[in-house]
Amino acid sequence: EEQLVQSGAEVKKPGESLKISCKGSGYSFISHWVGWVRQMPGKGLEWMGIIYFGDSDTRYSPSFQGQVTFSADKSISTVYLQWSSLKASDTAMYYCARQSENAFDIWGQGTMVTVSS
Amino acid sequence: SYELTQPPSVSVSPGQTASITCSGDKLGDKYACWYQQKPGRSPVLVIYQDNKRPSGIPERFSASNSGNTATLTISGTQAMDEADYYCQAWDSSTSVFGTGTKVTVL
Repeated sequence: EEQLVQSGAEVKKPGESLKISCKGSGYSFISHWVGWVRQMPGKGLEWMGIIYFGDSDTRYSPSFQGQVTFSADKSISTVYLQWSSLKASDTAMYYCARQSENAFDIWGQGTMVTVSS
Repeated sequence: SYELTQPPSVSVSPGQTASITCSGDKLGDKYACWYQQKPGRSPVLVIYQDNKRPSGIPERFSASNSGNTATLTISGTQAMDEADYYCQAWDSSTSVFGTGTKVTVL
C-alpha cells in the first residue's frame, strides 16, 4: 500500500527549533515531488511548497520562503520540514502529500505542531 | 500572488446536485483539482487535471474548468458528502489552494 507516515505531534516554545518528518512507503519516491501543506486551527489549506526526492530541488510559496526549510533523505525515503525559530503563529496541522499529475494524490496523516510559552 | 476564490458555504438536500465554484484569473488555462476534507481527517483528492476521477472516487463527483471558473459538481448528493472542499491550481512554479467551501447536506 502506498502511504506517507508523518512523525508525531509536537509541543514547543517560541524560539525553539523543530524538524518534522514524512516517510514514504509502497512506491518509488525518487520520481515524485512531495509537498507540505499548512492548516491553521479552523482554517483552510495553505500550499507551503514542494521538494523533489531525486535531487532535493525545492519550490517554496512566497509566503513561506525563508520561514521554513525542506530537505530529503533518499536512503530512507523521508522528507523533512524544519523551523529554526518557532513562533506562536506556526501552531497548525502540517500535512505532507505526494504530487502526481499536478495534484496531491496521497496524503500523510498530519503532524500537529503547537507553539506556546 | 495568484488567488482562488470559493463560496464559503453551499447547502444541498439529499439526492440533489451541489455545485461548488472556484474562481481565478485565467483558471481555465491551468489544471485544477479538487479535494474533500472531513473533520479531523486528511484531505482526499476527488478530481485531478480538471475532470479526472482517481480510482475509488464515486461517479457522482464531476468537474469542469473554463474561462476564469472551475466547477465541482456532486450529483445525487449523499449525507457522506458533507465536508469541506478545496480547489487547487498551479501558477508558474508554485501552487495555491482555494479558500474552501463547506458543503452541508440538509
